[in-house]
Amino acid sequence: EAGVAQSPRYKIIEKRQSVAFWCNPISGHATLYWYQQILGQGPKLLIQFQNNGVVDDSQLPKDRFSAERLKGVDSTLKIQPAKLEDSAVYLCASSFSSGRYNEQFFGPGTRLTVL
Amino acid sequence: GQQVMQIPQYQHVQEGEDFTTYCNSSTTLSNIQWYKQRPGGHPVFLIQLVKSGEVKKQKRLTFQFGEAKKNSSLHITATQTTDVGTYFCAGRAVRGGSYIPTFGRGTSLIVHP
Repeated sequence: EAGVAQSPRYKIIEKRQSVAFWCNPISGHATLYWYQQILGQGPKLLIQFQNNGVVDDSQLPKDRFSAERLKGVDSTLKIQPAKLEDSAVYLCASSFSSGRYNEQFFGPGTRLTVL
Repeated sequence: GQQVMQIPQYQHVQEGEDFTTYCNSSTTLSNIQWYKQRPGGHPVFLIQLVKSGEVKKQKRLTFQFGEAKKNSSLHITATQTTDVGTYFCAGRAVRGGSYIPTFGRGTSLIVHP
């Protein structure tokens, strides 16, 4: 079974530039999560999708971050414009559903450095 | 909003010693999951606890869920160098019919041979 795919693996940009990350979840998984993990901290949930609908985006900085999952499969997360404090690893995860007994499978992450 | 605290942040042990990390939530949880992240890697699911007072074991790892479903612990007996990594708890609460996870800060385990 193929795992969660993410690209790019690394990205370096200057502040005020824009950047986009892509995630392809495990086939058949309805729920997709985007996390921000700052060095030394736990993953912080940015947005959770159930199919192509948003379940929770309460911690997504909506003035600069956006995410979409148009066909309920792949997803993109965009930052525009980037700030220095956005430097982090962006993790995508998927699970079969948002139900009670669902473990999350994480992708390798995208390490973003904002200069 | 829901907060999940995890202590300690770091733990150094000699190989063979025991290790425990604790997780506390500000609100009652529906269930809790534990993940391990190796250095440079991504979180990998270990286990989920659902019932009040539940205890589960995986070889040398023992997981507990508190009676009030607001705290949990992970205990490793006789640590090995392969146990090195950061252990996260993720408390899950129901909002709008879906389970929303909140991760703790994690406990980094360093095992000295």
